[in-house]
Amino acid sequence: KAGVTQTPRYLIKTRGQQVTLSCSPISGHRSVSWYQQTPGQGLQFLFEYFSETQRNKGNFPGRFSGRQFSNSRSEMNVSTLELGDSALYLCASSLGQGDIQYFGAGTRLSVL
Amino acid sequence: QKEVEQNSGPLSVPEGAIASLNCTYSDRGSQSFFWYRQYSGKSPELIMFIYSNGDKEDGRFTAQLNKASQYVSLLIRDSQPSDSATYLCAVKAYNTDKLIFGTGTRLQVFP
Repeated sequence: KAGVTQTPRYLIKTRGQQVTLSCSPISGHRSVSWYQQTPGQGLQFLFEYFSETQRNKGNFPGRFSGRQFSNSRSEMNVSTLELGDSALYLCASSLGQGDIQYFGAGTRLSVL
Repeated sequence: QKEVEQNSGPLSVPEGAIASLNCTYSDRGSQSFFWYRQYSGKSPELIMFIYSNGDKEDGRFTAQLNKASQYVSLLIRDSQPSDSATYLCAVKAYNTDKLIFGTGTRLQVFP
């Protein structure tokens, strides 16, 4: 069974640009959550989607947004990139809310 | 006070010893508790999960939960150099997928 797939694996952008990251959950999983990991802050929750609806949102500015499609695939978008957005962005999927989460390999974003 | 606290380490133990990793949490409504292992440059990998007070064993790993003390721990028996990684404690409230992570404890197992 394929795991959680995140694309792209690496991204380099400049300040002010926007970026879209993609996550394909494990087959049959309907819940997708996104996290940001930085050396200083550790792993921080961004948002959670279930059945195309955002169920929870973390304490991030409105520049961070996401969505989920009918096939459970999810995308997150960051607009007007700042240097501090450089991080590893991790997606995790689970069967449903409250179930165990499995992480993808992540997308490493560098903002120059 | 942070929601989930862990000692950042590094915790250094000799090969074959028991490594004890600890985590405290602040939300008494927390229902599910997870230990993830993260190797440098890799994504977190689930090691153990525990929902009820007491001990849960899986191979060399034992998770311990004490909800009254808001404390969860992970014991690794017969530690191996391949266990050297950062161990992340994560806590989830009821009926949500939002995981709150501690900052992780770096474990070093030396031969």
